[in-house]
Amino acid sequence: DGGITQSPKYLFRKEGQNVTLSCEQNLNHDAMYWYRQDPGQGLRLIYYSQIVNDFQKGDIAEGYSVSREKKESFPLTVTSAQKNPTAFYLCASSEPGGGNSYEQYFGPGTRLTVT
Amino acid sequence: LAKTTQPISMDSYEGQEVNITCSHNNIATNDYITWYQQFPSQGPRFIIQGYKTKVTNEVASLFIPADRKSSTLSLPRVSLSDTAVYYCLVDRDYKLSFGAGTTVTVRA
Repeated sequence: DGGITQSPKYLFRKEGQNVTLSCEQNLNHDAMYWYRQDPGQGLRLIYYSQIVNDFQKGDIAEGYSVSREKKESFPLTVTSAQKNPTAFYLCASSEPGGGNSYEQYFGPGTRLTVT
Repeated sequence: LAKTTQPISMDSYEGQEVNITCSHNNIATNDYITWYQQFPSQGPRFIIQGYKTKVTNEVASLFIPADRKSSTLSLPRVSLSDTAVYYCLVDRDYKLSFGAGTTVTVRA
């Protein structure tokens, strides 16, 4: 059963702590993405990776870091430098980018609360 | 500058057809038009994608006029479970730009 898994579903952290969100896919997709969603808002792109060992900043990368050591995994670390980390975080994957627009498959999301 | 403009919300009743129009005046030649659906506390789900004219699948139709400056997502005979946020996107590659979307509320 192919898909994207994110864990945990809910995560609570104290301010000043780094936290890593997990994202795994078994769709054999080359491209993976991390988005952030705030209440009543659309999704904003944090980081994306088109291939293993390569990734690029999205629109709101400050305070976040990623790694892409394996094709199926794209963990996101929310660092203490992120000023407003409380949000709903979504991971997605797609076929390789190119001249056409590709369908993105999303995980169930992780809701992070930092107090 | 937002790539797309769509209504903030729409109300409908079960069994009716819902049409959501999206404006994308600055669409580029290579851009595709894609619609996603999102339920609360879930990731968005792809609904339909098109480049020009009309596209239909098992859940929706997408109408695109010749100038491609707008598009209309049509949901036939909606049910309560179609209550969700619907996003219109125009993109030519792997990077997607999500606006605030249209909240569609279906009532019994």
